[in-house]
Amino acid sequence: KAGVTQTPRYLIKTRGQQVTLSCSPISGHRSVSWYQQTPGQGLQFLFEYFSETQRNKGNFPGRFSGRQFSNSRSEMNVSTLELGDSALYLCASKDGEQANNEQFFGPGTRLTVL
Amino acid sequence: GNSVTQMEGPVTLSEEAFLTINCTYTATGYPSLFWYVQYPGEGLQLLLKATKADDKGSNKGFEATYRKETTSFHLEKGSVQVSDSAVYFCALGASNTGKLIFGQGTTLQVKP
Repeated sequence: KAGVTQTPRYLIKTRGQQVTLSCSPISGHRSVSWYQQTPGQGLQFLFEYFSETQRNKGNFPGRFSGRQFSNSRSEMNVSTLELGDSALYLCASKDGEQANNEQFFGPGTRLTVL
Repeated sequence: GNSVTQMEGPVTLSEEAFLTINCTYTATGYPSLFWYVQYPGEGLQLLLKATKADDKGSNKGFEATYRKETTSFHLEKGSVQVSDSAVYFCALGASNTGKLIFGQGTTLQVKP
């Protein structure tokens, strides 16, 4: 089985722009979660989608949004980019609904905001 | 709310030394506990997990035991290798969701 893939791997944007990141989960996985990783704040949960519905949301402003398609692929969008949005954005997928199911992470998208 | 606290790094050890990375948590209910590892330039890989009190997770020589009485999930390895150099994250899985709450991460450097 192919692993979790994320595109693009690297992205450079300027303040005020918007960006869309894509995540393809492992085949058969219906849950996709997004995390932001920064040196200062560590790994923080953004949101989770399950069967095209947002199931959980972290404490991020409304500029951060996401969606999931019927094939479980997910996108996250950040509007009006700020310098502080520079981070590694990780996507994870898992099978089933239980918390003890393993989440498989993608390699991440490195976003730099200038 | 739920939270995870890890010992601060970096941790520098010589090859074949014993490793302990402390992790404590605060949670309501009965969460699952995980250790993830991140190698440079890569995403996270699950190292081991435990789903209930007294469970011991183990993988590649690493072990951790879910201690409810001390709310801890310390990671141990008897003999580290240079290839174990990475960042290690302790995480808590909230009930019935895909949300993971991570500790700050501990950088391990193993010298030959």
